[in-house]
Amino acid sequence: RKEVEQDPGPFNVPEGATVAFNCTYSNSASQSFFWYRQDCRKEPKLLMSVYSSGNEDGRFTAQLNRASQYISLLIRDSKLSDSATYLCVVPHTGTASKLTFGTGTRLQVTL
Amino acid sequence: DADVTQTPRNRITKTGKRIMLECSQTKGHDRMYWYRQDPGLGLQLIYYSFDVKDINKGEISDGYSVSRQAQAKFSLSLESAIPNQTALYFCATSDAHPNSFNEQYFGPGTRLTVT
Repeated sequence: RKEVEQDPGPFNVPEGATVAFNCTYSNSASQSFFWYRQDCRKEPKLLMSVYSSGNEDGRFTAQLNRASQYISLLIRDSKLSDSATYLCVVPHTGTASKLTFGTGTRLQVTL
Repeated sequence: DADVTQTPRNRITKTGKRIMLECSQTKGHDRMYWYRQDPGLGLQLIYYSFDVKDINKGEISDGYSVSRQAQAKFSLSLESAIPNQTALYFCATSDAHPNSFNEQYFGPGTRLTVT
């Protein structure tokens, strides 16, 4: 299994829809997880952190399933401005400042 | 003004040329990183530095070298550029709390093309 694996998409959804992405990880010792957002040809920016079972921030919910080794990102009431690539990120155990990035899931929200 | 800046933003160079990409930050962070991003691949770590006297190889350091001139500056060099080094290069910084995640802040990227 790859260290971090994501469905590349694209996910094409209408405005207002709910969409969810999954990310699987191989290191069962990983304690914290992150979702970064990357707009086309721009730098990645931190969207959400997940340290325990989950985290919610407005329309965004991140959930962690340690038994199955996956994290998910749920976006409710999608906006056009949510169109971007979402990167799943897992810190290295032992050196938390080193990060492993997934290849990203592309979301396109349409009218 | 941006906290993490990269120069140049775009560069086209020929095979065999030496090129330097520069990164500066005003966040006061100790830790700095260089990544490359290729289509269909995740960000790959080239080198990282936890302070001015500390330089470490990442996953794909072959063909690259770095210099940490000061806390705020971290440059990446390609000694003899080759076409498969064509990519989008990002510099990032983070604070330094032991054994905890520290958000990495990325620069705007340098798009490098080697012909």
